[in-house]
Amino acid sequence: QSVLTQPPSASGTPGQRVTISCSGSSSNIGRNYLYWYQQVPGTTPKLLIYRNNQRPSGVPDRFSGSKSGTSASLAISGLRSEDEADYYCAAWDDSLSGQVFGGGTKLTVL
Amino acid sequence: QLQLQESGPGLVKPSETLSLTCTVSGGSISSSGYYWGWLRQPPGKGLEWIGSISYSGTTYYNPSLKSRVTISVDTSKNQFSLKLSSVTAADTAVYYCMGAAAGTGVDYWGQGTLVTVSS
Repeated sequence: QSVLTQPPSASGTPGQRVTISCSGSSSNIGRNYLYWYQQVPGTTPKLLIYRNNQRPSGVPDRFSGSKSGTSASLAISGLRSEDEADYYCAAWDDSLSGQVFGGGTKLTVL
Repeated sequence: QLQLQESGPGLVKPSETLSLTCTVSGGSISSSGYYWGWLRQPPGKGLEWIGSISYSGTTYYNPSLKSRVTISVDTSKNQFSLKLSSVTAADTAVYYCMGAAAGTGVDYWGQGTLVTVSS
């Protein structure tokens, strides 16, 4: 059971906008930055969003992050086939004194 | 541009200690503001944070693994290492080392190494 809760799957058609949610608590998302990682199966995770809504250099602006209270979401606009991957949210948890992850959301581009 | 590379046995027997090393190239492991960590991913499952060590030497461990984990840095070799004791089949996973400059959105990952726990 993951500390952060994500839907196990999401899907969309090319060009669509999809969102992936991440729910936590006051000890993690509520107090600390939220991060999103993208992992294409068989490859290394890639940082997609840091500090809630910041994009690392090279990440397209089709990807955006937001946070409100103890929940966060990742939005992908203009969905493309190469966006098909697993997406993980992560945050520091003050109660556990450690980093916690969501269980991951498998995004399928139909 | 930093590069990280994991090394260590791909097969460990139950009850023994898993030992992995991550070699950092292209920069100094002592760089201020950086932290270094280990994560793992069991086959077909999600990511799990194991622990990390800051540039100042402070360590943080996953509470569920804390009693079995040690992460340390060897600045002379520009490496950091992971030791996980008393392993069981549940510790079978791809183990990733990573490094990040805190707050910058810049992080670096090793390619990952599969460690299987089996007799």
